[in-house]
Amino acid sequence: ETGVTQTPRHLVMGMTNKKSLKCEQHLGHNAMYWYKQSAKKPLELMFVYNFKEQTENNSVPSRFSPECPNSSHLFLHLHTLQPEDSALYLCASSQDNRPFYGYTFGSGTRLTVV
Amino acid sequence: DQQVKQNSPSLSVQEGRISILNCDYTNSMFDYFLWYKKYPAEGPTFLISISSIKDKNEDGRFTVFLNKSAKHLSLHIVPSQPGDSAVYFCAASGVTQGGSEKLVFGKGTKLTVNP
Repeated sequence: ETGVTQTPRHLVMGMTNKKSLKCEQHLGHNAMYWYKQSAKKPLELMFVYNFKEQTENNSVPSRFSPECPNSSHLFLHLHTLQPEDSALYLCASSQDNRPFYGYTFGSGTRLTVV
Repeated sequence: DQQVKQNSPSLSVQEGRISILNCDYTNSMFDYFLWYKKYPAEGPTFLISISSIKDKNEDGRFTVFLNKSAKHLSLHIVPSQPGDSAVYFCAASGVTQGGSEKLVFGKGTKLTVNP
């Protein structure tokens, strides 16, 4: 247990489904992130939230919709996804959006779109 | 365009020997570099970092070297242990267009330490 909890661990969804990924941290961090890891590709930053405010949207398609109700919780709402969206989705948190403190990652949600 | 490159997808080393993992970057504005370690079915965990104003940082068996002129960094693990077998990601810290600091990751190198 790293301090960042992601649920579910695995998710299989059809292209017409709507689902949500959840991330929770109780480390007292105020920055949270969504990353995507596709096969044979680097980790790709999707969204950054700092003190609940979105400070970065890395040109992510609108079928991915983040929500950050407070500094401890982060959601990624999914709808009408494509098979190429199948990947490992990682949530991370850090103090003050400063990478040199080291991000704490969750274990990820393995998403398969069929 | 990949700003952080790990050109070796895999590395195999004998227990007790040195493991050297390499990373190259293209953006001279990166000011901080980090290494993460990832076991299967787990998220990456922070291992060691180095500021761009330094050329070496050591933490136990792990040492990171930075060569700014060559835009190259490396992670040395000595002595290597079977428990070190994992995927190692190199990451660089830079400021995005939105003004946030973000980590840019390489594709990772899978290290296997054989007993």
